[in-house]
Amino acid sequence: GDSVTQMEGPVTLSEEAFLTINCTYTATGYPSLFWYVQYPGEGLQLLLKATKADDKGSNKGFEATYRKETTSFHLEKGSVQVSDSAVYFCALSSPEPGAQKLVFGQGTRLTINP
Amino acid sequence: EPEVTQTPSHQVTQMGQEVILRCVPISNHLYFYWYRQILGQKVEFLVSFYNNEISEKSEIFDDQFSVERPDGSNFTLKIRSTKLEDSAMYFCASKDRGNTIYFGEGSWLTVV
Repeated sequence: GDSVTQMEGPVTLSEEAFLTINCTYTATGYPSLFWYVQYPGEGLQLLLKATKADDKGSNKGFEATYRKETTSFHLEKGSVQVSDSAVYFCALSSPEPGAQKLVFGQGTRLTINP
Repeated sequence: EPEVTQTPSHQVTQMGQEVILRCVPISNHLYFYWYRQILGQKVEFLVSFYNNEISEKSEIFDDQFSVERPDGSNFTLKIRSTKLEDSAMYFCASKDRGNTIYFGEGSWLTVV
């Protein structure tokens, strides 16, 4: 079945550092890919998405590019802030219409120190 | 901005008791979901619901679980006889005809 693998955390960085959180997937066909973020004590928020190969999703300074050749969707940010501290989840869903569920990676906890 | 709302935010219940978690999905959405997240673990799919019936369910969603859309706005998850291992954050989610699923803030269930 479909699956998502994220780099293991936790990840601790200093403010203004460059961030990469790796995500690779296994799926049939061409899934849609997502990054969700969970801030402390809150629910899951959609951060960005990409629906086809070579698409780049971006939001709040974060970017991720859908790489079909490497089945990857790595999350990057050029300069992180303390407020980016959260758990980040990579996820995929089938592109077919209907009630397609999300399959999540295990999550990566990110802590940014001032 | 429209959002998915869930109640209660936190519930403590005794083992063996019934629990109902409530959700109000985004109003024009057609597909509804429940996920759960055991503390420190990944978010797991429980069930999807469309056109007043279950469209898919996971192995976790056994006979102890049920879902219902009792009226035009609410979507509920019932756990008939809770077990300690049901302690988790339960997320409701909804989706329109597109491919983006929107989540509520979750209901934290503690079974003691």
